[in-house]
Amino acid sequence: KAGVTQTPRYLIKTRGQQVTLSCSPISGHRSVSWYQQTPGQGLQFLFEYFSETQRNKGNFPGRFSGRQFSNSRSEMNVSTLELGDSALYLCASRTHPASYEQYFGPGTRLTVT
Amino acid sequence: GENVEQHPSTLSVQEGDSAVIKCTYSDSASNYFPWYKQELGKGPQLIIDIRSNVGEKKDQRIAVTLNKTAKHFSLHITETQPEDSAVYFCAASSTGNQFYFGTGTSLTVIP
Repeated sequence: KAGVTQTPRYLIKTRGQQVTLSCSPISGHRSVSWYQQTPGQGLQFLFEYFSETQRNKGNFPGRFSGRQFSNSRSEMNVSTLELGDSALYLCASRTHPASYEQYFGPGTRLTVT
Repeated sequence: GENVEQHPSTLSVQEGDSAVIKCTYSDSASNYFPWYKQELGKGPQLIIDIRSNVGEKKDQRIAVTLNKTAKHFSLHITETQPEDSAVYFCAASSTGNQFYFGTGTSLTVIP
């Protein structure tokens, strides 16, 4: 079974631009979570989607948004990029929000210049 | 919300020795405690987990222990090998809710 896939793997953007990242969960997994990973803050939860609905949201500004499609694929969008948004963005999937095991993708490395 | 603390932040051991990483959590409602291994350039990989109704779980050279009363859990790696070198993260979650992660431990196994 294929793992979680994320595209693109690397991205360079300029301050003020916006960016969209994509995540395809493991087949059969319907819950997708997004995390931001930085050296200083570690792994920080952004939001979780299930059945095309946002279930939980972390403590991030409204510039960070996401959505989920009927095939469980998810996208996250960051608008008006700031230098501090440079990070590894990780997507994780699990079968259902009440299931325990969560599996991560390889991440998208975003650099904002 | 939940607060997970992880120690140490860096750990160096000789090949063949054991390594222990410890985490504490604050929310007594947390009932699931996974451990992830992250190698350079890769996403975190789930290596072992434990639920609150179990005190210890072992998988070959890796074991995890949980003390619910003290709200702490630990990862034990025995007979360490160079390929065990990576960053390890602990996490805590309660059913249906988000995961809270520790800040990571960079483990170096010296050949």
